[in-house]
Amino acid sequence: QLQLQESGPGLVKPSETLSLTCSVSGGSISSSSYYWGWVRQPPGKGLEWIGSLSYSGSTHYNPSLESRVTISVDTSKRQFSLKLSSVTAADSAVYFCALQGVASYAFDVWGQGTMVTVSS
Amino acid sequence: EIVMTQSPATLSVSPGERATLSCRASQSVSTNLAWYQQKPGQAPRLLIYGASSRATDIPARFSGSGSGTEFTLTISSLQSEDFAVYYCQQYYNWPPLTFGPGTKVDVK
Repeated sequence: QLQLQESGPGLVKPSETLSLTCSVSGGSISSSSYYWGWVRQPPGKGLEWIGSLSYSGSTHYNPSLESRVTISVDTSKRQFSLKLSSVTAADSAVYFCALQGVASYAFDVWGQGTMVTVSS
Repeated sequence: EIVMTQSPATLSVSPGERATLSCRASQSVSTNLAWYQQKPGQAPRLLIYGASSRATDIPARFSGSGSGTEFTLTISSLQSEDFAVYYCQQYYNWPPLTFGPGTKVDVK
C-alpha cells in the first residue's frame, strides 16, 4: 500500500523559496495510475489545491499560485517535490502531498502533512 | 473556476442520529465530486468519489448522492469517530481543483 511522507524546513523567511519533498514507499512512483499532488491548509482554514504532476510529466497548477509554483519528480529517489517562491506570511500552512487517482482524480492517498511557517 | 459551497457550516448531531451534509457547485460537475473527512491534526481521508462510490474500507453508514450542482453526504447513524470536518471537492473542470469550505459535525 502506497504511503507518503512530507519533509522540509518548518520555517521559511519572507521572499524566499519554500521547498518540500514527498517520499513514496510501498509502491511504484513511476505508476501511470496517479497524479502526484500538493494541497495546503492554513491554520484553522480549509483546503487549497496547489498543483499536480502526472507520470508523463504534465503539470497542472492552481492559477492563483502558478507563477510561483514548481512540482517535479525524481523517480530514482522515489520522491516528488514542491517549490513555492517569493513566500509571504499568507503561505504559512500545513502542506500535504497526495496521490490523485487518474480513474477519478480524487485524492485517495495522503501524507500526514507538514507545517510551514513563513516568518523572519 | 468552479466554486464549491457547503451547508451548514456546523451541524450538531447526537450519536446514533442521522447527519445530512450538503455541497453545491457553481456550475455542473456531473458526478465528478469527492467527499473527505478530516479530524484535528490529521490528513483528510477520502470517503466518497464519483459522488456516490465509497472509497476502500469506508463503512456503509457513509453514502453520497447527487449530480450536477447539488450533492449530499449522509451518515446514517453517527458514531463517536465520525465527529470531524467534511469537505467536498470537484474534479470535473480543472485546473483548479476546488474544495468546499467544509462542514463541521460536532456533538449535540
